[in-house]
Amino acid sequence: DVKVTQSSRYLVKRTGEKVFLECVQDMDHENMFWYRQDPGLGLRLIYFSYDVKMKEKGDIPEGYSVSREKKERFSLILESASTNQTSMYLCASSFLHLRLGQKLHFGNGTRLTVT
Amino acid sequence: KQEVTQIPAALSVPEGENLVLNCSFTDSAIYNLQWFRQDPGKGLTSLLLIQSSQREQTSGRLNASLDKSSGRSTLYIAASQPGDSATYLCAVRMETSGSRLTFGEGTQLTVNP
Repeated sequence: DVKVTQSSRYLVKRTGEKVFLECVQDMDHENMFWYRQDPGLGLRLIYFSYDVKMKEKGDIPEGYSVSREKKERFSLILESASTNQTSMYLCASSFLHLRLGQKLHFGNGTRLTVT
Repeated sequence: KQEVTQIPAALSVPEGENLVLNCSFTDSAIYNLQWFRQDPGKGLTSLLLIQSSQREQTSGRLNASLDKSSGRSTLYIAASQPGDSATYLCAVRMETSGSRLTFGEGTQLTVNP
């Protein structure tokens, strides 16, 4: 079974802090994604990566950056946390190749509160 | 821009009932559609994936259908159980969007014993 592991289930940070959310997958997936999920807004894509050191902006990249130094690890960085970044953050991964159907596999999420 | 809508937002049924969850999308040029389940406070678990060339997929008590031309998919759950209580989300991948999915907001299902 695919395992996508997010390092923290709950985080509480102060406004202005630099925050790192870590995600690791064990299936040699090329694609990795960061979403945030908010009531009434659903899942929104922040950033994704289809290869090491490659990244592409999603729908809401402002205030975030990412790092993919190794294939299995994808980090989301909040350079200066703000209260409007309080949310549930979900990491996902998938194969790149179209013929494999590209099922998305999600981690359990990190609930971040910025005070 | 693709929009994905799920109706109803919430559904409560007695145990044993067969039920249908609906998903509609505005742009029919999809590559595939995926149904997910999300338990409270957890991530999403992929249930079924239907390619655009397929009409349906089945897994146990779950059956997902796709009518690409009308922009609709349904998730049928047979003989519902309390353990089926969760939020169900659908997501579409466009032919031109690469790896990106567009999600609906989900239907929150409660199955009462």
